[in-house]
Amino acid sequence: NAGVMQNPRHLVRRRGQEARLRCSPMKGHSHVYWYRQLPEEGLKFMVYLQKENIIDESGMPKERFSAEFPKEGPSILRIQQVVRGDSAAYFCASSPSPGQGQGAGEQFFGPGTRLTVL
Amino acid sequence: AQSVTQLGSHVSVSEGALVLLRCNYSSSVPPYLFWYVQYPNQGLQLLLKYTSAATLVKGINGFEAEFKKSETSFHLTKPSAHMRDAAEYFCAVSDGETSGSRLTFGEGTQLTVNP
Repeated sequence: NAGVMQNPRHLVRRRGQEARLRCSPMKGHSHVYWYRQLPEEGLKFMVYLQKENIIDESGMPKERFSAEFPKEGPSILRIQQVVRGDSAAYFCASSPSPGQGQGAGEQFFGPGTRLTVL
Repeated sequence: AQSVTQLGSHVSVSEGALVLLRCNYSSSVPPYLFWYVQYPNQGLQLLLKYTSAATLVKGINGFEAEFKKSETSFHLTKPSAHMRDAAEYFCAVSDGETSGSRLTFGEGTQLTVNP
């Protein structure tokens, strides 16, 4: 039973390039969350998605960041024109739909993608 | 709005000693509370969760936490620390039982266990 998968695990980009981070939720999970962890800080919520819908993007920076969770395939967090301040660990989590019986409110986390912007 | 405060960004204990990691929360609705552990360069693993059932919650690896509404606290304890417990610990709160409730995390507490 595979857990949440994220790739790549490490990503190096130069300033101005684009970063694409991928997340495959646990099997049967239809809810995906993205969190960012800056050095020496806790995790901060960015966005919550269900298949083909963005439900809550209140934690997303207003510019350069976007997320999607298509009907088929992984969820993608896209960062355009990266800057050094984007260097962080980006974690994806997934959860089942209500009524699927597992883990009230619980989210299952992937191993993260560590983005370094040079 | 919800918030979590973890008192003490670094806690150091001796092997075999009591572990106490403090967490206070603020929530306008009955909260769901979680403790996660993060080992270096890894993702977060759930230790335990409070979801409005028993106020004393037992988790994995010998950890437990007690929900105290009057103190708005959810402190994490373990009677006897092991070297393998050295990691970063995060307390988190959500506002509901359904999926779609985002987690609000504290800043984390780095636990060091000395031989």
